Amino acid sequence: QKEVEQDPGPLSVPEGAIVSLNCTYSNSAFQYFMWYRQYSRKGPELLMYTYSSGNKEDGRFTAQVDKSSKYISLFIRDSQPSDSATYLCAMSFRGAQKLVFGQGTRLTINP
Amino acid sequence: DTAVSQTPKYLVTQMGNDKSIKCEQNLGHDTMYWYKQDSKKFLKIMFSYNNKELIINETVPNRFSPKSPDKAHLNLHINSLELGDSAVYFCASSQQGQGAYEQYFGPGTRLTVT
Repeated sequence: QKEVEQDPGPLSVPEGAIVSLNCTYSNSAFQYFMWYRQYSRKGPELLMYTYSSGNKEDGRFTAQVDKSSKYISLFIRDSQPSDSATYLCAMSFRGAQKLVFGQGTRLTINP
Repeated sequence: DTAVSQTPKYLVTQMGNDKSIKCEQNLGHDTMYWYKQDSKKFLKIMFSYNNKELIINETVPNRFSPKSPDKAHLNLHINSLELGDSAVYFCASSQQGQGAYEQYFGPGTRLTVT
């Protein structure tokens, strides 16, 4: 079993829809939770990060962490075709220099 | 200005050859990484260097040897290439003390071994 599980999709939704992306993890010691976005043929870029549990909002994006369920989510409101990319969740321990990534979910927003 | 750059962008070579990938960052970060992304998009850390010192080596075959001449550069040399080495290799950097979460990735080097 991988430390971080993420449904690879692909996920295809119409423009304007609310998108929900999720990851589960097995190691309760993870404290930092990140979402990276990777466009085709590009490197990943940090979208959002959350420390410990709770919600964080940034524009159309909301990240949620539920440590009791070992479950994290990324919501995208009013999705745009430019949001089409692979979304990777990542986690790390406090003080660690290492990120553990999920497999990534390939998302397509159809105009 | 490119923050993290890698060369070459594409590399096609035959089994058994030796090849190198170079990485440079101009962000002033003190930690650099090599990741491997397989065909299923799974991104896995291989090595991490902090101020030219190896701090993470994730059970990577000895055929892979990283070298950090200074904290702005991290190169990856691969000996005796195998078919299974075909993947996209990403270099990344971050600033220690700010947590590993904010890593800046290069554009990747797509390695194909035939």
